[in-house]
This record gives sequence, structure tokens and C-alpha cells, in this order.
Amino acid sequence: KAGVTQTPRYLIKTRGQQVTLSCSPISGHRSVSWYQQTPGQGLQFLFEYFSETQRNKGNFPGRFSGRQFSNSRSEMNVSTLELGDSALYLCASSLVFSGAVNEQFFGPGTRLTVL
Amino acid sequence: GENVEQHPSTLSVQEGDSAVIKCTYSDSASNYFPWYKQELGKRPQLIIDIRSNVGEKKDQRIAVTLNKTAKHFSLHITETQPEDSAVYFCAVDPNSGGSNYKLTFGKGTLLTVNP
Repeated sequence: KAGVTQTPRYLIKTRGQQVTLSCSPISGHRSVSWYQQTPGQGLQFLFEYFSETQRNKGNFPGRFSGRQFSNSRSEMNVSTLELGDSALYLCASSLVFSGAVNEQFFGPGTRLTVL
Repeated sequence: GENVEQHPSTLSVQEGDSAVIKCTYSDSASNYFPWYKQELGKRPQLIIDIRSNVGEKKDQRIAVTLNKTAKHFSLHITETQPEDSAVYFCAVDPNSGGSNYKLTFGKGTLLTVNP
């Protein structure tokens, strides 16, 4: 099976702009989670989607949003970019079935630089 | 919310020695504890995980131990090799039953194995 893919891999934006990142999960995986990775804060959970619904949300401002499509692909959007939004954005997909621990498989990430 | 502390932040060992990384967590309801390895410029990859109903799990040279009473778990790598050099992250998921995918990560340990 193909792994989790993310596009684009690199992105440069300026303050105030908005950006949309895309994540395609492993075939059959219905849960997609997003994380922000920075040197100072490490890996921080943004949100998780399952069946086109946001089930979990981390402690990020409303400028960070996401959605999931019927084919489980997910996008996240960051509006009014700030310098501090520069980070590696990782998505992870999981196979969902009850009563079992489900590994999260990570994508390669999108490196966002805000100037 | 969940708080995960990881120690040490850096660890340098000689090839063939053992390495131990420890994590503590705050939410006693947490019941899934994965460990991820992230090589420079690459995505995090699961190397081992443990559920709350198990005290220890081993996979070749790596092992994880869990003490639910004390709320801490540890990664043990024996006979370290230079290719073990990477950043290791512990993580905690509050609900492994399939309804939550919200990993809280430790800040990471940079392991360097010197030949």
C-alpha cells in the first residue's frame, strides 16, 4: 500500500496570507490527525477527523481549521499567517475499528516558512 | 489535558551500550503508549507501543516498560548501533478504544550512538 502523502512538501508564505495543506491517508484509513512540529514546542496535536467530522481538537487558535472529504483525504487551512506558524505540519492516518489500538502512520510533512 | 515529560533531552552512548529514555504522564486514564523514532529530515515512525494492560513488551533490541501506578513508561534499547541515532518521542493517547486519536508527545530525546 502507498503510504501517507502530503502536498506540497515545502511552502513559503508571507505574514497575513493564508495557506492550505493537503493529506492523503493510506487506503482504507478513515482517521486523519494533524500535528505541528517546531523545535521549541515539539509535536503538538492540532485536530483529528473521522468520517468527515472533527472528533478532537488541540489548543490552537481558530485560524487553524481543517476538513475531511468523503474519500478520507484531509486539508488543513491556516489563515492570517504569523511568523510563529513556521513549522513542519505532519498528518497521520489510522485504521479505525473498535476495541483495538490503532497505529498512526505519519506522512512526510509540509515544511511551512512564513516570512 | 494530558502532560508528558520526557528525559533526558539528549543522550550519547557508545556503540554496543544500552540506552534508556523515560517518560511520565499526568492522566491516569491514558491507556496507549507508543514510541516514535524520527531520523533527521524524515517522518516519525512507530518503533514499539504498549497498552495499559501490559507491563512490558519486547521486540528484538527494543523494549518498553509501563508502570501505571507511577504513571511512567520507559524505552530500552540494547546493543545500540550507529543507525539507532535519531530523535525518539514518547506519546500518550488517552483512549485506545477507537474513539480518540489525539497523541500527546514528549519533547523528544536526541540519541547519538558513537562508533
